[in-house]
Amino acid sequence: DAGVIQSPRHEVTEMGQEVTLRCKPISGHDYLFWYRQTMMRGLELLIYFNNNVPIDDSGMPEDRFSAKMPNASFSTLKIQPSEPRDSAVYFCASSFTNYGYTFGSGTRLTVV
Amino acid sequence: KQEVTQIPAALSVPEGENLVLNCSFTDSAIYNLQWFRQDPGKGLTSLLLIQSSQREQTSGRLNASLDKSSGRSTLYIAASQPGDSATYLCAVAGNTPLVFGKGTRLSVIA
Repeated sequence: DAGVIQSPRHEVTEMGQEVTLRCKPISGHDYLFWYRQTMMRGLELLIYFNNNVPIDDSGMPEDRFSAKMPNASFSTLKIQPSEPRDSAVYFCASSFTNYGYTFGSGTRLTVV
Repeated sequence: KQEVTQIPAALSVPEGENLVLNCSFTDSAIYNLQWFRQDPGKGLTSLLLIQSSQREQTSGRLNASLDKSSGRSTLYIAASQPGDSATYLCAVAGNTPLVFGKGTRLSVIA
């Protein structure tokens, strides 16, 4: 298995632009998680899905953030409009029955 | 709300030393605990996973223990090497997804 695949690896965008981050989980995993990592706050859970259904989005910082999982093999995290304080590394992870997470390599987002 | 604390925040040791990284959590109602390694600018690599019913897990030079009742876990690294230099993250899962500590940044000096 290729593991959890995230794209792009790096994204630099201007403030106000829309940003879309993508994730392909491990086949057969029924949970998908989006985390954000910053120096100040460490790793924080943004949202997670079980069987493609959003379960808890209370970690999404603002309405500018949205996430979808249209099928078992694909998820997106969208920020519209982006702001400099959104600069961080965004990780996607997947697991089977919320046991033993596998993380992707992350997307480093820089908003200038 | 679960909170995870890792002490120390940073640690520097000479090559060959045995060392212990500490992790504590506030809610003992966990399902499992996972230790990760993160190299600078990289993703998270899972090192060890301990189920709530287990006391420890071992992989090579790494040994992780879990004392659920006291809300503590330790990661023991034997005979440290420069290649062990990284940030080590502890995370616990209960009826919510993994909650992470802020990590211990380890430097092993040759």
